[in-house]
Amino acid sequence: QVQLVESGGGVVQPGGSLRLSCSASGFIFSSYGIHWVRQAPGRGLEWVAVIWSDGYNRHYADSVKGRFTISRDNSRSTVYLQMNSLRAEDTALYYCTRGTSGTYSSDYWGLGTLVTVSS
Amino acid sequence: QSALTQPASVSGSPGQSITISCTGTYSDIGVYNFVSWYQQHPGKAPKLIISEVSYRPSGVSTRFSGSKSADTASLTISGLRAEDEADYYCSSYTTSNTVVFGGGTKLTVL
Repeated sequence: QVQLVESGGGVVQPGGSLRLSCSASGFIFSSYGIHWVRQAPGRGLEWVAVIWSDGYNRHYADSVKGRFTISRDNSRSTVYLQMNSLRAEDTALYYCTRGTSGTYSSDYWGLGTLVTVSS
Repeated sequence: QSALTQPASVSGSPGQSITISCTGTYSDIGVYNFVSWYQQHPGKAPKLIISEVSYRPSGVSTRFSGSKSADTASLTISGLRAEDEADYYCSSYTTSNTVVFGGGTKLTVL
């Protein structure tokens, strides 16, 4: 069955860095795009970034552009989100999701990893 | 990348039908038929219930249906049940090659 498992969350000071990982199984990883979506405590969903199956096409929300970098390693069925210059407003539960081919929706979600930016 | 506009809350009685609207612009909903809807129960990850405006993934109840007119999409839930009480989010692909979500709607089943 399709599984997505996020890891790498934790507490970091403002201005610090963190790298999240999303490990996938149960499907042909190299054929799918992967998104990161975050949810601040008690708030709604916010799309963060996507990396398409080719590994070259990557797009970011304006709120993280220039600070976050998404990448993938198809040999490890893993997607990474490198987060730099973290701010308090980046505090959220970060989900990775599988992108459905050609529809830009997310058909499978992980359980999320919590990132807290605080001094 | 402004968020899509959804009502903060809607409510209905068991057996009734409710509709949640999702308003965007001609940079997202008005241009593409890539509108999705997600259901999220408290403490759980979101679940895809509608993609491409009106397509129901396998296993999703036929009580859920989607539509779109111009720059506004809608989710209708018919025959409301207690288990439908949840938060609902719409999303759309945009002309910037990004995805934008709505602010979410809390559905209360009275």
